[in-house]
Amino acid sequence: GAGVSQSPSNKVTEKGKDVELRCDPISGHTALYWYRQSLGQGLEFLIYFQGNSAPDKSGLPSDRFSAERTGGSVSTLTIQRTQQEDSAVYLCASRPHDLAGGWNEQFFGPGTRLTVL
Amino acid sequence: AQTVTQSQPEMSVQEAETVTLSCTYDTSESDYYLFWYKQPPSRQMILVIRQEAYKQQNATENRFSVNFQKAAKSFSLKISDSQLGDAAMYFCAYRSGSGGSNYKLTFGKGTLLTVNP
Repeated sequence: GAGVSQSPSNKVTEKGKDVELRCDPISGHTALYWYRQSLGQGLEFLIYFQGNSAPDKSGLPSDRFSAERTGGSVSTLTIQRTQQEDSAVYLCASRPHDLAGGWNEQFFGPGTRLTVL
Repeated sequence: AQTVTQSQPEMSVQEAETVTLSCTYDTSESDYYLFWYKQPPSRQMILVIRQEAYKQQNATENRFSVNFQKAAKSFSLKISDSQLGDAAMYFCAYRSGSGGSNYKLTFGKGTLLTVNP
């Protein structure tokens, strides 16, 4: 079946502009994550959605970052007034519903490479 | 908070040889899971191998195996009979077993593996 898809694949923007990154999770997956991968760094958690519950926004680095998930499916990560330090690969992952004691494996998309000039 | 450390930014290996990638982590939890992910230039995160903390037996997946030392909080990855296709960035990741953690992954900074023909 189809995996996690993300668009655009690459995005170049100018400092100060707003950008929107899109994630289409695997159909039926209730949980969705956004991670950021900066150059030379591992992935850092940004935000988590699970069904209709309030999202866990604890990883968002500033109030310029926000995300929403419509209808429990597609998610959009928005970065307002982009800065050069926002340049990174933004990865989305989804997984099925919580399974106590289970692997709860996350399936990753190919990411969006954001370059802020 | 949990941390994951990969002390080898880069490693190289000759084709058909064996290489070991190191990973240490810090946690006060007793229930957790550990993972190794591979990220080729396509950026797609691929799960290589995984280990439950409560299992003493080291996980094995074909040419990939781990050396899990729970007391030392060490989780190294051994790749046997290295192939050119193994060249990639490898990430070690930690996940709490607690549902309250949202099952988010904590990653190390990665090890870039080069395979020489």
